Amino acid sequence: EAQVTQNPRYLITVTGKKLTVTCSQNMNHEYMSWYRQDPGLGLRQIYYSMNVEVTDKGDVPEGYKVSRKEKRNFPLILESPSPNQTSLYFCASSLSTGLASGRDTQYFGPGTRLTVL
Amino acid sequence: AQSVTQLGSHVSVSEGALVLLRCNYSSSVPPYLFWYVQYPNQGLQLLLKYTSAATLVKGINGFEAEFKKSETSFHLTKPSAHMSDAAEYFCAVSHSLPDMRFGAGTRLTVKP
Repeated sequence: EAQVTQNPRYLITVTGKKLTVTCSQNMNHEYMSWYRQDPGLGLRQIYYSMNVEVTDKGDVPEGYKVSRKEKRNFPLILESPSPNQTSLYFCASSLSTGLASGRDTQYFGPGTRLTVL
Repeated sequence: AQSVTQLGSHVSVSEGALVLLRCNYSSSVPPYLFWYVQYPNQGLQLLLKYTSAATLVKGINGFEAEFKKSETSFHLTKPSAHMSDAAEYFCAVSHSLPDMRFGAGTRLTVKP
């Protein structure tokens, strides 16, 4: 089954304790991205990756890191989490950056709900 | 810069009633427009997408949306709401990735 998986789905942690949220896709997609979803703000992009070893900042990158060592994986790293990073996080992937075809879109993972105390 | 405005953070309808979720976009050239649905504890799922092939776009689960360039709108409709339609709906605009802008979302409640 074609899918984007994220782990963990739920995480409660404390300020300053490094954590990693994993993201994996099995569709051989080149493009991957991370979003955070906050009430009233919709989804905001944190980081994205055009391909292996190619990553760039989105709209809200502060406090986050990513890596893309393999095509299928795109982990999100919080080196020193703070309470303002409490949010719902989504990983997404797409075959490419073009959207001309009717089926071109981003495919989203199930989300990771993070609470930082 | 492109942006999306969803009018109404919460919409409540009775089962069997018309569903209308509003989305207005801002873009210098006609963009691609999307409606996504998010069911509780799940990720976003594509409902439908506008690619300029037709102004009336039919999606999954009986939803459709009409692109109106003169009104810069892309409202989502369904003739008859079902209890299973209760979810959060997001409108999004993009010309190409990575630049995709999402609206704030509209939570749809369906009353029996």
